[in-house]
Amino acid sequence: GQSLEQPSEVTAVEGAIVQINCTYQTSGFYGLSWYQQHDGGAPTFLSYNALDGLEETGRFSSFLSRSDSYGYLLLQELQMKDSASYFCAVSGGSYIPTFGRGTSLIVHP
Amino acid sequence: NAGVTQTPKFQVLKTGQSMTLQCAQDMNHEYMSWYRQDPGMGLRLIHYSVGAGITDQGEVPNGYNVSRSTTEDFPLRLLSAAPSQTSVYFCASSQGINSPLHFGNGTRLTVT
Repeated sequence: GQSLEQPSEVTAVEGAIVQINCTYQTSGFYGLSWYQQHDGGAPTFLSYNALDGLEETGRFSSFLSRSDSYGYLLLQELQMKDSASYFCAVSGGSYIPTFGRGTSLIVHP
Repeated sequence: NAGVTQTPKFQVLKTGQSMTLQCAQDMNHEYMSWYRQDPGMGLRLIHYSVGAGITDQGEVPNGYNVSRSTTEDFPLRLLSAAPSQTSVYFCASSQGINSPLHFGNGTRLTVT
């Protein structure tokens, strides 16, 4: 089976940098992805890592270490609109990603 | 492009009733899936399909049925609704195993 662990809540102030960690267990591994979900909305794709290292997309970066079964999402220059839930998801033995329970990010002014 | 379209947006059922949640995508994606989202539980996979005529069970399949007769449509059937099925249901599609999931806007289901 597959399982993922991520913190349930993270708080930060506007303009700061925040890191959301994710550890996973999976039989077979294709990649680790991150999704953002605002209250009442649908999850939207942020990033995907299949290989070790850092992927950068604007203010968001995602890191993967396959040997440690670990990844993180880094959000820079935080804005109020970044307040949302963030999910890591692992693509492994099954064809469809398994999601973690999500991290609620609260950005304070 | 409409992307992934789910209907209805809201639904209230009585225990024991059956219904079908509709999902359609216009991106010609092979992979489609159904998740349910409950507070604090993240998104849990119910059923998925990797192509027309092919379906398989996910993590929480009991009480649900699916079929995939066309590439575009992937309906989810609740056979006999129970209060434990009160949840938000999301349909998603993707091009393949390493491709992003595209989600519909969800169906908010309440079973009384």
